[in-house]
Amino acid sequence: EIVLTQSPATLSLSPGEGATLSCRASQSVRHYLAWYQQKPGQAPRLLIYDSSKRATGIPARFSGSGSGTDFTLTISSLEPEDFALYYCQQRTSYPLTFGQGTRLEIK
Amino acid sequence: QITLKESGPTLVKPTQTLTLTCTFSGFSFSTSEVGVGWIRQPPGKALEWLALIFWDGEKRYSPSLKSRLTISKDTFKNVVVLTVTNMDPVDTGTYYCAHRRGGGSDFDYWGQGILVTVSS
Repeated sequence: EIVLTQSPATLSLSPGEGATLSCRASQSVRHYLAWYQQKPGQAPRLLIYDSSKRATGIPARFSGSGSGTDFTLTISSLEPEDFALYYCQQRTSYPLTFGQGTRLEIK
Repeated sequence: QITLKESGPTLVKPTQTLTLTCTFSGFSFSTSEVGVGWIRQPPGKALEWLALIFWDGEKRYSPSLKSRLTISKDTFKNVVVLTVTNMDPVDTGTYYCAHRRGGGSDFDYWGQGILVTVSS
């Protein structure tokens, strides 16, 4: 099973700042990594798939990069609605696995 | 427009079997590459993938729960069913069904989720 480790666990930033979230895989997942955003009481929303491709309707301030074992989700300038939980997920091999999440909170 | 919705009991007793139904619209299992998955989330914890069923009937399960899970589909009714046997309080959480993105097993549309509590 591929283990995904996200860091930091919590990130405290202010609106307008940039955010960098990391996801590290226990073995190579090539570029088959996705990022999701989850707000309280809501289902996750797909932001990025295949490491760097934005899902439909996702603002351009969200970008993803990386390959192999190290991946990054970057939010260029935080909007108030971006403060949420973020999860990464790999689809290289079964079982599909998720990271433990990064909480992005308002400083 | 793709929508999914989970239904089923919100309270089950330990050792009982949980049966959840995902009713969807906006896509069909008659189309190749289509898949529907189940993912759960214990309160305050991370997401956990459970099972996935494809348009051609192929099924994939989480190894840690495989002996307790069964996923099935009804192509004509646009429904996917997940059963989980021998429920335990640690199985308490929100259960989501989700549409597999065409071309890859990540999930681009999700149901609202159903909170299932396991308690006597």
